[in-house]
Amino acid sequence: AQSVAQPEDQVNVAEGNPLTVKCTYSVSGNPYLFWYVQYPNRGLQFLLKYITGDNLVKGSYGFEAEFNKSQTSFHLKKPSALVSDSALYFCAVRPSGGSYIPTFGRGTSLIVHP
Amino acid sequence: EADIYQTPRSLVIGTGKKITLECSQTMGHDKMYWYQQDPGMELHLIHYSYGVNSTEKGDLSSESTVSRIRTEHFPLTLESARPSHTSQYLCASMQTGGSGGYTFGSGTRLTVV
Repeated sequence: AQSVAQPEDQVNVAEGNPLTVKCTYSVSGNPYLFWYVQYPNRGLQFLLKYITGDNLVKGSYGFEAEFNKSQTSFHLKKPSALVSDSALYFCAVRPSGGSYIPTFGRGTSLIVHP
Repeated sequence: EADIYQTPRSLVIGTGKKITLECSQTMGHDKMYWYQQDPGMELHLIHYSYGVNSTEKGDLSSESTVSRIRTEHFPLTLESARPSHTSQYLCASMQTGGSGGYTFGSGTRLTVV
């Protein structure tokens, strides 16, 4: 069975500071990993994905994520946070072969303070 | 700009009513999914489809049904709505062999009174 853990329900950061939203996963075989962002009363918007290749993945709005196979982690990062980054962030995983059902984490609320 | 559309955006209905939530995508994706999400909470998979005439139940028993008669259309029906069905419903799609990502609609917020 596959699973995703987002250990922090909420992350607080000051505007201009770097941010990290943590994600660890468990999956059989090679993982496909995703980050999504959700603003209030909206659906999920795709940020970035790791399929294969370079462990550092760059995505939308200046976000990036680092795939670490030995630590089974895929943490989301941004060098300088904006107040407009405040939202709910979801990490997701599915195996590269077989099931096309992604498993989502519980979500992490990012709050960027002015 | 999302190419997956959900209607209505929000809805208030009475207990016992039958309701169909619409989801359509214009990308030709073969796989489609329905998720239930309470505000600010995790997503629960309730139904999915791998193609026309293919539907499966997800992890959450939601007392709903789906159909997939056309590739682009994946409606969700509640035969008899209850207050416990009050939630946000998200539709998503993905193309086998594509970039691997899932595209989500904007969601339908359902309130059953």
